[in-house]
Amino acid sequence: GQQVMQIPQYQHVQEGEDFTTYCNSSTTLSNIQWYKQRPGGHPVFLIQLVKSGEVKKQKRLTFQFGEAKKNSSLHITATQTTDVGTYFCAGPQVSSSNTGKLIFGQGTTLQVKP
Amino acid sequence: KAGVTQTPRYLIKTRGQQVTLSCSPISGHRSVSWYQQTPGQGLQFLFEYFSETQRNKGNFPGRFSGRQFSNSRSEMNVSTLELGDSALYLCASSLRGSGPTIYNEQFFGPGTRLTVL
Repeated sequence: GQQVMQIPQYQHVQEGEDFTTYCNSSTTLSNIQWYKQRPGGHPVFLIQLVKSGEVKKQKRLTFQFGEAKKNSSLHITATQTTDVGTYFCAGPQVSSSNTGKLIFGQGTTLQVKP
Repeated sequence: KAGVTQTPRYLIKTRGQQVTLSCSPISGHRSVSWYQQTPGQGLQFLFEYFSETQRNKGNFPGRFSGRQFSNSRSEMNVSTLELGDSALYLCASSLRGSGPTIYNEQFFGPGTRLTVL
């Protein structure tokens, strides 16, 4: 079945350093979503990318969708302690009945040292 | 608008028992999905309900079941609990796009932490 893989699993950075997490799908995705889960919290939607090669920015966060729509990345510039959490990518798996379900990557847990 | 609510927030059960978890979606959202989150397996899709119909199902045994009511509230039930069922169970609601190419963002509830002893 379809798989969505994320690397790295964990990342420790010094505050102010940049951070990137990568997401790869075994199949072409119609779109990809990114979520952030703070420690002890629940996943919160960050963004959705739909177009091939799409790049979107949210302040210090830059999201990219690959040209082949099989990979995506999230880059955080100059990390802050508020960026701590686990970042998940998720892509829809479409069934033969034309309904979908979201398949989540394993997540990348970011720790930021002040 | 109020967010997604889940009850109870914490639950302790013993092996063999059954449990029912409840989820109230955001007002106007007709789709409710359930996920199991564990440290080892991450976020695993359980099932999705839309207008009281189960539209999708993940790879979980039949002990896991759910339903959705006419007001979009949803429940999931786990029978004959096993130690491995200990997890955070998350419910998420969404508006649900008109087709499979656009999957609306999921609004997650705080989850129910289930511990099976």
